[in-house]
Amino acid sequence: RKEVEQDPGPFNVPEGATVAFNCTYSNSASQSFFWYRQDCRKEPKLLMSVYSSGNEDGRFTAQLNRASQYISLLIRDSKLSDSATYLCVVNIRGPNTGNQFYFGTGTSLTVIP
Amino acid sequence: DTEVTQTPKHLVMGMTNKKSLKCEQHMGHRAMYWYKQKAKKPPELMFVYSYEKLSINESVPSRFSPECPNSSLLNLHLHALQPEDSALYLCASSQDRDRESTGELFFGEGSRLTVL
Repeated sequence: RKEVEQDPGPFNVPEGATVAFNCTYSNSASQSFFWYRQDCRKEPKLLMSVYSSGNEDGRFTAQLNRASQYISLLIRDSKLSDSATYLCVVNIRGPNTGNQFYFGTGTSLTVIP
Repeated sequence: DTEVTQTPKHLVMGMTNKKSLKCEQHMGHRAMYWYKQKAKKPPELMFVYSYEKLSINESVPSRFSPECPNSSLLNLHLHALQPEDSALYLCASSQDRDRESTGELFFGEGSRLTVL
C-alpha cells in the first residue's frame, strides 16, 4: 500500500532554474500535508506545511488540491544549497490512533553550478 | 540541533544479539514514532505511540519490540534480527492534542544499525 506517490527524479537543474515537484495521495481522509527536506545521511526536516489556499515562503511555493489529492512544491531561483531529497508527507489522523505521518518516495534534486 | 535525542548513533549487532535503541524528547509531545529508512528510500512508519499507548503497528515483525516507559522516552528492543534489517532507525515526535495539532514531526538524527 502506498499512501503517497512522488516522482523520484532525479532532477538535475542549473542554478537559477525553477523546478516543480508533484505528489499524489490516496487517502481522502488525509488531513494535513507537508514538504520535508532530507540531506544526505541526515534526518528529514520540515521545509513547509501545505495549505489549501496555497502558501509561499521566500523562493518556495506549495499548493494543495484536495479534489485531485495532489500536492506540489515550486522552487524558484534554485541555489546550490537546495540540493537534497524532497519528501512529500501526509498526515492521516484516526479517532483512536492519533497522527500518522506517511512519506512519499522522495524526489532527488541536484542544482548544478 | 534536533530536540529529539537518539542513542546509540551507530550499532553493529549479530543475529543472536539483543540490543535496544533509545529516544528521548522534552518538548512535551504526546506522540512518538519509529521509522525505518533504507538507503535511497523514504522513511517507513513502523510504530506510533499516542499518550504512551501503542496506537499503530504497521505489521512490523515481532523481532522489533517497542516500549514507551513515559511520555518522554521511546525504546525499540531488537532481538534475532536479520541482515536485511540493517537500516537507519529514526525516532520522531509530534504534538498530539485531541483538538489541535501543529502536525510537524521532529526527528532525531537516527540510529544506524548494521546486522551481521
